Amino acid sequence: LAKTTQPISMDSYEGQEVNITCSHNNIATNDYITWYQQFPSQGPRFIIQGYKTKVTNEVASLFIPADRKSSTLSLPRVSLSDTAVYYCLEGFQKLVFGTGTRLLVSP
Amino acid sequence: DSGVTQTPKHLITATGQRVTLRCSPRSGDLSVYWYQQSLDQGLQFLIQYYNGEERAKGNILERFSAQQFPDLHSELNLSSLELGDSALYFCASSNPGTANSDTEAFFGQGTRLTVV
Repeated sequence: LAKTTQPISMDSYEGQEVNITCSHNNIATNDYITWYQQFPSQGPRFIIQGYKTKVTNEVASLFIPADRKSSTLSLPRVSLSDTAVYYCLEGFQKLVFGTGTRLLVSP
Repeated sequence: DSGVTQTPKHLITATGQRVTLRCSPRSGDLSVYWYQQSLDQGLQFLIQYYNGEERAKGNILERFSAQQFPDLHSELNLSSLELGDSALYFCASSNPGTANSDTEAFFGQGTRLTVV
């Protein structure tokens, strides 16, 4: 199964932009890149998905370079409620989660 | 509300016992996934079913089994329970797209299993 690499943790302050990067060194041609958010004791929640270039929705932006070896989740102006674990996934209909990035947003 | 329903929400049982966790996927979703998440650990993929058939298998113990029924609901059976099986068990569902697209999965609120 495909394996992604992302930082274990990140710290930020309210109002800042946060960028979390994930490595996709062995991503397959058909694989999409998907990011999920998980709060404690809750199931993960879909944030955004893309194949290449840039995707933006009301919550975040996702940047995927042409070689698709990495992806960057961008959270604009984070708030305390964005404190969560963020997972990047790759694969067509595969939902294999890595260790995730634990984001802590402080006042 | 994700549309995925898991029952029960909480379960306390003794070592050596057997329990069944139930998952009702979102209406129309054909794929069901099961995950185990121990305290402060990541999500461990256990197994996936698609329209009643096993599609993928992860780190699922032999003491654990699952199935998906014709109405698409799924059950995860855990037997000979050990203290280390205490965890949150999540179910997710999705409706797979075509080969040129992918789909998001929707997670239930989980079943918290405590083995004492």
